[in-house]
Amino acid sequence: KAGVTQTPRYLIKTRGQQVTLSCSPISGHRSVSWYQQTPGQGLQFLFEYFSETQRNKGNFPGRFSGRQFSNSRSEMNVSTLELGDSALYLCASSLEQTTNEKLFFGSGTQLSVL
Amino acid sequence: KNEVEQSPQNLTAQEGEFITINCSYSVGISALHWLQQHPGGGIVSLFMLSSGKKKHGRLIATINIQEKHSSLHITASHPRDSAVYICAVRHLDTDKLIFGTGTRLQVFP
Repeated sequence: KAGVTQTPRYLIKTRGQQVTLSCSPISGHRSVSWYQQTPGQGLQFLFEYFSETQRNKGNFPGRFSGRQFSNSRSEMNVSTLELGDSALYLCASSLEQTTNEKLFFGSGTQLSVL
Repeated sequence: KNEVEQSPQNLTAQEGEFITINCSYSVGISALHWLQQHPGGGIVSLFMLSSGKKKHGRLIATINIQEKHSSLHITASHPRDSAVYICAVRHLDTDKLIFGTGTRLQVFP
């Protein structure tokens, strides 16, 4: 079974641009969650989607958004990029809603904002 | 004060040593995760606990709900165990995952 796939692996953008990251979960998994990892703040929860519905959201500004498609693939979007958005963005999938489920992580997208 | 605290922050060991990493939390939780992150970023989920103890190979994880504390033990450590180990708790009320800052482990031959 293929693991969680995140694309692209690396991305360089400039301030003010917008970016879309993609996450394909393990086949059969219906939940996708997103996380931001920076050297200063560590890992932080962004949002979680289950059956195309956002079920939870972390404390991030409205510039961060996401969605999930009927095939469970998910995208996250960051608009009006700021230097501080430079980070490793990780997604994880689980069979059901994440509350008591093991998470399977992708390799992440390394975003650099110049 | 962070809601999830890990200790130590850094740990160096000789191959074969017994290793313990600790995690303390201050919120009510429904589950606790231990994660492993190797250089390059990929994260692997090692354990998910809501009570008691779990064992997988040389790894053992325990949790004491009353004391709000969990430990990850590695027996007979090996250089391939070198990684960052992260504790994360599922907040009982918000259902959000809150992460510790990680413990960087280096095991030398």
